[in-house]
Amino acid sequence: DTEVTQTPKHLVMGMTNKKSLKCEQHMGHRAMYWYKQKAKKPPELMFVYSYEKLSINESVPSRFSPECPNSSLLNLHLHALQPEDSALYLCASSQGPDRSTYEQYFGPGTRLTVT
Amino acid sequence: LAKTTQPISMDSYEGQEVNITCSHNNIATNDYITWYQQFPSQGPRFIIQGYKTKVTNEVASLFIPADRKSSTLSLPRVSLSDTAVYYCLVGPPPYSNYQLIWGAGTKLIIKP
Repeated sequence: DTEVTQTPKHLVMGMTNKKSLKCEQHMGHRAMYWYKQKAKKPPELMFVYSYEKLSINESVPSRFSPECPNSSLLNLHLHALQPEDSALYLCASSQGPDRSTYEQYFGPGTRLTVT
Repeated sequence: LAKTTQPISMDSYEGQEVNITCSHNNIATNDYITWYQQFPSQGPRFIIQGYKTKVTNEVASLFIPADRKSSTLSLPRVSLSDTAVYYCLVGPPPYSNYQLIWGAGTKLIIKP
């Protein structure tokens, strides 16, 4: 199974809502990532978890809160978002820091619209 | 961190070989070069990775000259389904740093 799944596929939320994005992989990967992608732009790295510990936070506003409950799951909790946060949110996984490959497996993304 | 430059868009025809070049003039000694493909409303898909000379897999080849200041992704005999955005990435090995620099992407359009 080489699939990364993300739910929901689409999400519309108001600026006062709290919602969560979910990501799951069963490839035994030990690194998981959240990216944000705006239209016609490359993905921007937000967070990296390595062995279930947050290893990189790319100066992301605190209204985005990541969580890694176990090695297969990654959540992104959203609170008090702004309309400019509307984007495609991508989850990815890779083997981990002890493997010399950049092959990341991406999920299909969650299309988020903040109203 | 190495910055990458690639063409914004390219057109080609079915059955042709397509070469997309990426410039990375200040690539560091321990940086690798990686290419991803992305279809609309999907996550990127890994194509190929290399450090020097030539790497080939079942879908593409990656040519890296000796000075490593550029690289060329070669797609043999493209089809309509190869229409996508192709990203060039440069960065150090994952065992030391996850911070890859993504290029702006090349939109490849394949015509019948």
